[in-house]
Amino acid sequence: EPEVTQTPSHQVTQMGQEVILRCVPISNHLYFYWYRQILGQKVEFLVSFYNNEISEKSEIFDDQFSVERPDGSNFTLKIRSTKLEDSAMYFCASSEAGGPSSYEQYFGPGTRLTVT
Amino acid sequence: GQQVMQIPQYQHVQEGEDFTTYCNSSTTLSNIQWYKQRPGGHPVFLIQLVKSGEVKKQKRLTFQFGEAKKNSSLHITATQTTDVGTYFCATDRYGNKLVFGAGTILRVKS
Repeated sequence: EPEVTQTPSHQVTQMGQEVILRCVPISNHLYFYWYRQILGQKVEFLVSFYNNEISEKSEIFDDQFSVERPDGSNFTLKIRSTKLEDSAMYFCASSEAGGPSSYEQYFGPGTRLTVT
Repeated sequence: GQQVMQIPQYQHVQEGEDFTTYCNSSTTLSNIQWYKQRPGGHPVFLIQLVKSGEVKKQKRLTFQFGEAKKNSSLHITATQTTDVGTYFCATDRYGNKLVFGAGTILRVKS
């Protein structure tokens, strides 16, 4: 069964450093997402991406965050200057479609980001 | 923005007992999705409900969407140890953004 993959599984970085989290969505999917989950808390939406542009973003997704689809397979989340409170599990997800009809989102295994 | 409240936060049951988690919204929802997250794992889609009063079953799991489309429930009959994890309800708007409930952590004693 096709699956979303994410690398690395765990990233440790120092406060103020830039990190790039990588995702390979399912190949025929058109919508891509990033979510985060602080330990023990609920999953929070960060951003959705379609047709090479951001379609929606949350208030968490401020100027220090950016997303990119650099080629036909990868989808990245960049955090420019990490803060301690960015420590969380970051999940990438993809869906076949979106728009007015809701579609199942497939989540990757996540990248645990630890900012020290 | 759209929010969903989920209760209980935590439930510890004896294997074989039933389990229910509830999701509520103050506004009408276009749909409700349920996800399961095993400890240390990622959310895995279980089901989506879109119609008022809809009921769907998956083996021992029964999902309901309220008549007013403001609440939903997930009921597990005769829990097993494989059911442990966190169950989240979620809703989206135009398929672009999933808003998750806080989740209900299920622990099963064998």
